Amino acid sequence: DTEVTQTPKHLVMGMTNKKSLKCEQHMGHRAMYWYKQKAKKPPELMFVYSYEKLSINESVPSRFSPECPNSSLLNLHLHALQPEDSALYLCASSQEGAGGTIRTQYFGPGTRLLVL
Amino acid sequence: QQQVKQSPQSLIVQKGGISIINCAYENTAFDYFPWYQQFPGKGPALLIAIRPDVSEKKEGRFTISFNKSAKQFSLHIMDSQPGDSATYFCAASYSGAGSYQLTFGKGTKLSVIP
Repeated sequence: DTEVTQTPKHLVMGMTNKKSLKCEQHMGHRAMYWYKQKAKKPPELMFVYSYEKLSINESVPSRFSPECPNSSLLNLHLHALQPEDSALYLCASSQEGAGGTIRTQYFGPGTRLLVL
Repeated sequence: QQQVKQSPQSLIVQKGGISIINCAYENTAFDYFPWYQQFPGKGPALLIAIRPDVSEKKEGRFTISFNKSAKQFSLHIMDSQPGDSATYFCAASYSGAGSYQLTFGKGTKLSVIP
C-alpha cells in the first residue's frame, strides 16, 4: 500500500481565516513533506519532517505553519493567506535513513486551495 | 547545477504511437531518477524510476533509458493510449545523508489522440 491521504480535497478561505490541511500515511515512512504546486508548474518543496522533527523549511512565509503530531500525521496550518497562495498543496512521504537511502516520495492527491 | 531540463514542453501523439520525453541533468551526484505522472487536479504518481547503474528499465509499456556519460535519461511510452494523456515530470535526487530534495523538470503535457 503506497497511499497518502489528504483532507480536505478542496478548501476556500478568506484572507482572515484560519484553516488546516491534514495528511496521513500508514506506510511506516518517517519522512513527510509539504509541497505547493501552481498550475502548469512542478511541485515546490515547502517543508520536510524527519522523524517528526522539522528538517527543512524552504523560506516559507510564517502564515504557513507545519506540524507533525506523530509519525503518521502531518498538518499544515494556514492563517492570513494571500490570494497568490491559491494552489494545489501536496503531501508526500518517504522512507528515512542514513546516507545511501533512496527516498522515493509518494504523493497524496492534494488539497486544492482557493484564497479569496 | 541543480537543474533538470525536460523536453518537450508538450507532446501530441497518435493512439498506438510511441511517446518520448527527454531529460538532462548537470549534477553528477544525482543517483536516483524517478518519473511521475500527474492527471489534472491529482497528485503526482510515481510511474517508474531508475538508478544510474543500469541503462534501461522497463515496466509494461513504460521504459526509462539512461545515458550516464551524457547525463541524460528519457521516458518511452509504447503503444500510447488516450488514458496516458497527463503531465509527466522527470526528477532527480541523491541518496546522501539528509538529502530530501527532488529536483523536478518543468513537465511535459502529453496528449494522446484517438
